[in-house]
Amino acid sequence: DGGITQSPKYLFRKEGQNVTLSCEQNLNHDAMYWYRQDPGQGLRLIYYSQIVNDFQKGDIAEGYSVSREKKESFPLTVTSAQKNPTAFYLCASSIRGYGGQETQYFGPGTRLLVL
Amino acid sequence: AQSVTQPDIHITVSEGASLELRCNYSYGATPYLFWYVQSPGQGLQLLLKYFSGDTLVQGIKGFEAEFKRSQSSFNLRKPSVHWSDAAEYFCAVGAKNQAGTALIFGKGTTLSVSS
Repeated sequence: DGGITQSPKYLFRKEGQNVTLSCEQNLNHDAMYWYRQDPGQGLRLIYYSQIVNDFQKGDIAEGYSVSREKKESFPLTVTSAQKNPTAFYLCASSIRGYGGQETQYFGPGTRLLVL
Repeated sequence: AQSVTQPDIHITVSEGASLELRCNYSYGATPYLFWYVQSPGQGLQLLLKYFSGDTLVQGIKGFEAEFKRSQSSFNLRKPSVHWSDAAEYFCAVGAKNQAGTALIFGKGTTLSVSS
């Protein structure tokens, strides 16, 4: 099956701990994205990557880090500097079509909770 | 600044009745517009998209949306709602920059369906 997988489904973080959320896609998409979703806030962009070994900060990158060593993988690390990490995290990927048109497709999400 | 407004936080519709969810955007150039649907605890599923051409676009599950440039709107409609349509709906605009296209989301509209 082609698609986007995120793991784990639930993740618990202790105070001062770094945690990493996994995102993998087998759609051969070039671009990948991380969003954070809080109740009543919609989705906000954390980081995105258009090609391997390159990524850009989104609107709320502070306290997060990413890597893009492989086309199919785009892990997100929530560092101890992120003081309010409790949220639902969504990964997406897209392929650029004619005229630069892109459609993003989303994974099932990871819910991060702080202990 | 680019933005998306969904004026209705919560809407309740009777099963079988028609539905219209409102979306207004602020964007300087010709927008790429999307509607996504999210069931509780799940990722986002693409309902439909507008890139160019015919301003009335058809999507999955019997949904359609109409792009009205003069009103900066992209309202979602369905002629007859089913109980399974109860979910959260997000409108988004694709914001193009030199690094690619990122999505700017509205805060969502929660749809409840009454019997």
